[in-house]
Amino acid sequence: GAGVSQSPSNKVTEKGKDVELRCDPISGHTALYWYRQSLGQGLEFLIYFQGNSAPDKSGLPSDRFSAERTGGSVSTLTIQRTQQEDSAVYLCASSLDPGGYNEQFFGPGTRLTVL
Amino acid sequence: AQSVTQPDIHITVSEGASLELRCNYSYGATPYLFWYVQSPGQGLQLLLKYFSGDTLVQGIKGFEAEFKRSQSSFNLRKPSVHWSDAAEYFCAAGPNTGFQKLVFGTGTRLLVSP
Repeated sequence: GAGVSQSPSNKVTEKGKDVELRCDPISGHTALYWYRQSLGQGLEFLIYFQGNSAPDKSGLPSDRFSAERTGGSVSTLTIQRTQQEDSAVYLCASSLDPGGYNEQFFGPGTRLTVL
Repeated sequence: AQSVTQPDIHITVSEGASLELRCNYSYGATPYLFWYVQSPGQGLQLLLKYFSGDTLVQGIKGFEAEFKRSQSSFNLRKPSVHWSDAAEYFCAAGPNTGFQKLVFGTGTRLLVSP
C-alpha cells in the first residue's frame, strides 16, 4: 500500500507569492497533521485534522498560513505572501483515528525555498 | 512549556561501536515518548515508542530505548552501529491522552565512520 505522499517535493518561490502544498494521506487514515522543519530546528506542529471535527490550528505561526482538508482525505497547506522565514521542509503525517494512540506515518516532505 | 531536548547536534561513531543518543523531556505529565529516524530525502520513520510499563523498549533495526522517569530521559541505544544507521534521529513526546500533537527535539545527526 502507498504511504503518505506530498507534492511538490521542492518549491522555489519569490517573496510575496502564495504557495500551496499538497498532502495525500494513507487511505483510511482519518487523522492528518502538518509539521514544519526549519534548518537546525526540530519539527514544529502546525495543524491537525481529525475526521469532520474542527481542525486544531494552534500551531499555525501567522494568519498567512491556512490549511484545508477536502472530503476527509487530501489536504492543502497554503502560505500567502510568503516570507524568507517560511523557508523550511513541510511534513505531512497521517494516522488512524487516534482513540488511544496510533502511529503517525510521515510523508517525504516539501522543501520550500523563498527567495 | 512542553519541550524535548537533544543535547547532541552531531555524533560520530565508528562502525561496530555502540551508540547512545540522549533525549530529555519537560512535560506536565508522563508523556508518550518516541524516537524517529530521518534518512536523507526520506520522511520520518518510527523506531520505537514508550507508553507505559516496561521502561526498556525494543524497536526496529536493533534499537532500544530506556525511559527513566527520575531523569526525565528517554535515551536511544544500539549495541553495534552499521553504516546504514547514518541519519538524523529525532526524539518526540506526545500527550498520554487525546490526539498526538507531538513535540520534537532538534535532532541528532549520526555519522558513522569506517
